[in-house]
Amino acid sequence: QSALTQPRSVSGSPGQSVTISCTGTSSDVGGYNYVSWYQQHPGKAPKLITHDVTERPSGVPDRFSGSKSGNTASLTISGLQADDEADYYCLAYAGSNTVIFGGGTKLTVL
Amino acid sequence: EVQLVESGGGLVQPGGSLRLSCAASGFTFSSFWIHWVRQAPGKGLVWVSRVSADGSDRTYADSVKGRFTISRDNAKSTVYLQLNSLRAEDTAVYYCAGGTPATGTALWGQGTLVTVSS
Repeated sequence: QSALTQPRSVSGSPGQSVTISCTGTSSDVGGYNYVSWYQQHPGKAPKLITHDVTERPSGVPDRFSGSKSGNTASLTISGLQADDEADYYCLAYAGSNTVIFGGGTKLTVL
Repeated sequence: EVQLVESGGGLVQPGGSLRLSCAASGFTFSSFWIHWVRQAPGKGLVWVSRVSADGSDRTYADSVKGRFTISRDNAKSTVYLQLNSLRAEDTAVYYCAGGTPATGTALWGQGTLVTVSS
């Protein structure tokens, strides 16, 4: 049960787009369309940004979009805003009613 | 208000036990699966355990299997996590999080801190 692989950090300027990757295996990311992304600000609980790869909960701006290709899922944030600066985690179903998180990515808005 | 509220954290010696609670309100609790997720200080999120909506299915991360037990009481809208044989590396904020197939795991509590230290 090793964590999914995410870049430790990404950065972008306001208004730009960034993409965060999440790489697993055919037993988790690649095997099911059950990948979620969470945003976590310091000292706060995680917030669901996308689920089932591409689905966005109500209230989440369409600047956030999820996708998947093979064993890698991605979260793209367009039109970067200062408040997007946070840690981002992917979560994938890994079979037998277990799930696994990525190691997390720190997004810095320059 | 729709919410999950964790309680039961605290300071415990290595080898000791704690029982965490996750109390739900404002929604149909019996329709939601519940996960426990932990986060060690300065580290990332780690999945710990999950219980199905009806409580019949329970799964665990390898790191806690045999030491932690998840259960739920739908009549009390509460999920429990019994932590036994605690180790220093179990020190973390423990979150409960709930969801359905339609919503994903969207509802999170504020977390409760467990510190294992002598």
